[in-house]
Amino acid sequence: QKEVEQNSGPLSVPEGAIASLNCTYSDRVSQSFFWYRQYSGKSPELIMSIYSNGDKEDGRFTAQLNKASQYVSLLIRDSQPSDSATYLCAVRTNNLFFGTGTRLTVIP
Amino acid sequence: EAQVTQNPRYLITVTGKKLTVTCSQNMNHEYMSWYRQDPGLGLRQIYYSMNVEVTDKGDVPEGYKVSRKEKRNFPLILESPSPNQTSLYFCASSTSGTAVGKEDTQYFGPGTRLTVL
Repeated sequence: QKEVEQNSGPLSVPEGAIASLNCTYSDRVSQSFFWYRQYSGKSPELIMSIYSNGDKEDGRFTAQLNKASQYVSLLIRDSQPSDSATYLCAVRTNNLFFGTGTRLTVIP
Repeated sequence: EAQVTQNPRYLITVTGKKLTVTCSQNMNHEYMSWYRQDPGLGLRQIYYSMNVEVTDKGDVPEGYKVSRKEKRNFPLILESPSPNQTSLYFCASSTSGTAVGKEDTQYFGPGTRLTVL
C-alpha cells in the first residue's frame, strides 16, 4: 500500500465551480499535511499546510483534515483557468511522502 | 531572495559519462532532499540529508550518490548514467526534517531536466 494515495484524475470543472481534491494516507502517526500545486514542467509550490483536524481556509482554498479517517482534502472555490495544474498531496511521518498528483482542468 | 538553486537546468548526456547536478540553498536549512519525477509516478525521493555529513537513502537511490559537506550544498552525482535515469529532478530544502509546523515546509528548486542517450 502506498503511503499517500490520490485520484490521478483528470478532474475537469467549469470556471466558477468548486473543485474538490482528495487524498488518503496510510500512517496513523502522520503529523503534517501539505498541498502543492505544480504547473507543467515547473517545480511544486506550496498552497496549504494543515496540522490539526478540521478546516483551514486561505482565500479561495480550504484544506480539510480528518485524522480518524486518514483523509485530507483541498477545496478550491470559484475555480479559475489559472488553477489548472497538477495538485500534489504530501504527508510527513518520519519523512515526507508525496502522492502521484491529481490533474485539474478548469474550463472557461 | 530566499531560494533553492539547481544547475544545470537542462542536460543531455550519454550513457556512462559521469555527471553532477548541483543544489544550493541560502536559507540555512538543515534538511535537503533530491527527487525525481516521471509521468504517472509522481515525486520519488532519491536521497535526503538531515544535516551536514548526514545522508540517507530515499525510495529510489540506486545509481545515485550524494554528499553533504556544507550546509548549503547538496550535489547529486550520477557515476554512470543510464537511459532509465532520464527524468526531471528536483532539489528541495526545509528548516528541519523532524519539526512540525512552518519549519517543515519544503521549498523546491526549479528542476533539472536530464536526458541520457
